[in-house]
Amino acid sequence: QSVLTQPPSASGTPGQRVTISCSGSSSNIGSNVVNWYQQLPGTAPKLLIYSNNQRPSGVPDRFSGSKSGTSASLAISGLQSEDEADYYCAAWDDSLNGVFGGGTKLTVL
Amino acid sequence: EVQLVQSGAEVKKPGESLKISCMCSGYTFTSYWIGWVRQMPGKGLEWMGIIYPGDYDTKYSPSFQGQVTISVDKSISIAFLQWSSLKASDTAMYYCARGGQRLTSMHDYWGQGTLVTVSS
Repeated sequence: QSVLTQPPSASGTPGQRVTISCSGSSSNIGSNVVNWYQQLPGTAPKLLIYSNNQRPSGVPDRFSGSKSGTSASLAISGLQSEDEADYYCAAWDDSLNGVFGGGTKLTVL
Repeated sequence: EVQLVQSGAEVKKPGESLKISCMCSGYTFTSYWIGWVRQMPGKGLEWMGIIYPGDYDTKYSPSFQGQVTISVDKSISIAFLQWSSLKASDTAMYYCARGGQRLTSMHDYWGQGTLVTVSS
């Protein structure tokens, strides 16, 4: 059972907008920044969003992040087939350790 | 360019010891936290622990405290993850990942992963 809660799966058709939620508590998301990672099959995770809503250089602006209270969301607009991957949220917890969500498998139909 | 290059795949027997490495380059090694993340076969990411090379301050997840040791060699910018007695349940992919300059920033750059297989 992960400290951060994500839906196990999500899906959408090409061009659609999809959102993935991440629910935590006051000791993690409520008091620290949230990062999002994309993991393509057979590869290492890649940073997609940092500090709740910032995109690293090279990440398309189709990807956006937001945070409100103890929850965060990742939105992907203009869905493409290459977006099919596992997505993870992460945050620092004030109990002095990092925590990840359980991951969401995104399927592009 | 920031790069984290991990050591190669390992096959070990239960009870054996192991130390895997993560060679870091392209940034000031002593100014950023660096941590380890486990991914068991077909499962999600699990945060194991993190170390600040500047002063060796180390934090462990309660799930991994006492099970592994995280260390660094500042002179050659390498981070290590080690086990004194492996179990079959340690079979997993292990990633090193750079943290921020602040402990709460979590990770940005990742290594390619080291697959550890523990089997009799």
